[in-house]
This record gives sequence, C-alpha cells and structure tokens, in this order.
Amino acid sequence: AQSVTQLGSHVSVSEGALVLLRCNYSSSVPPYLFWYVQYPNQGLQLLLKYTSAATLVKGINGFEAEFKKSETSFHLTKPSAHMSDAAEYFCAGLSTGNQFYFGTGTSLTVIP
Amino acid sequence: EAQVTQNPRYLITVTGKKLTVTCSQNMNHEYMSWYRQDPGLGLRQIYYSMNVEVTDKGDVPEGYKVSRKEKRNFPLILESPSPNQTSLYFCASSRGTPSRYEQYFGPGTRLTVT
Repeated sequence: AQSVTQLGSHVSVSEGALVLLRCNYSSSVPPYLFWYVQYPNQGLQLLLKYTSAATLVKGINGFEAEFKKSETSFHLTKPSAHMSDAAEYFCAGLSTGNQFYFGTGTSLTVIP
Repeated sequence: EAQVTQNPRYLITVTGKKLTVTCSQNMNHEYMSWYRQDPGLGLRQIYYSMNVEVTDKGDVPEGYKVSRKEKRNFPLILESPSPNQTSLYFCASSRGTPSRYEQYFGPGTRLTVT
C-alpha cells in the first residue's frame, strides 16, 4: 500500500534553532510529495511540493525539503525557527491516479 | 475573493439522520476532494473528482456518497451517519491534477454524530 510516514508526532525547538521534521515514503509512492501546514482552526496550506524537477525544493516561509530516493525520505527543514512557525505539519504523497496519502502529522512547538 | 466554502461549519446530529455537507469553489477548478481529519490519523481522503460527473474513491469511502453535477459544487452525503463518522471534514480544490496545481482547502466542517 502506498503511504507516507512522519516520525515524531510532536517536535519542540527553541526560537532561532533548526527545524527538522521527518517524512519517509513507501517506495511505491510516485515522486509527487508535498508538505502542508495547518494553523489552529484553519485548513491546510501548501508549503512546498516535489515533482522530480529538483531534489532540493524551496517553499514558502523559508522552509525547504530534500528528496532522497536512497533513503525514501522527504524531510522538511528551516534554518531558524520563528514563533509563527508553531503549527501542525503534514507530509503527503500523490498517486498516479490523483489519490492523496497524508502522514499523521507533526505538531511543532517553538519555545521562546 | 477566490475561495472554497463549506456549509455548515459545525453540525451535531443523531445516528441515522441523513445529512449533506456542501462544498463550493469559485475558481473554476477541475479537481475537488473531501478529507476527514482525526487525531493521530492525519487526513484521509474520502472521495475525489477530476471533473464533472467523474468521481473516485479515496482511502475511506465507506459510509459516504458524493456527486459532481456542476463544476463548482462537490457535496458530501452521509446517508446514515454513525458515531464513527464524527470528525473534522475538509473540502479542497485545484485547477487540475494536484501534481501540477496547488490544492486549496476550505475552512472545515466539524461533525458530531451522537
């Protein structure tokens, strides 16, 4: 079955520290991978997506993710956390049939 | 303003009473989709539609129906709701296949079935 797995349901970082949110995908998931952010009481917003054009993908708000086929990973990073980054983050994959597969989410807390 | 709207935003109902959650987008998008979000499970796709009269099952279609008679609307129908369908529901749309176009999400509908 196609799937994406997010490691760590809760991550805490200090303001200004590196943010690293982990996502691994099953090898059967085609290389359409996404990161979404959900702020409290809101819908999801696209941060970035990988569609095989480049392995390092830059997104909004200073986030980026690197597609590593050898590790079947698509981890999300940001060099310096800001208080406004506190939110829930979802990794997702898209099948060739346009069906989405979401991870279970990682809640990011930023400590002042 | 370009947006995806859902109604109602909050709904409490009883087991077995048919209900419809509406979803409408004003962006002339071809792709529309319904998701449910549950704690610890993330989002799971219920149904999606690539265009008018074209719908496909997602990961968790059991107990739900959809229709796509008009491009802008994609209602979610629960013929006989059960407590395990208590969840937060999101509708989303994109201009075309989400591999190429960004998916825009509605504000969500919180459904409680007692």
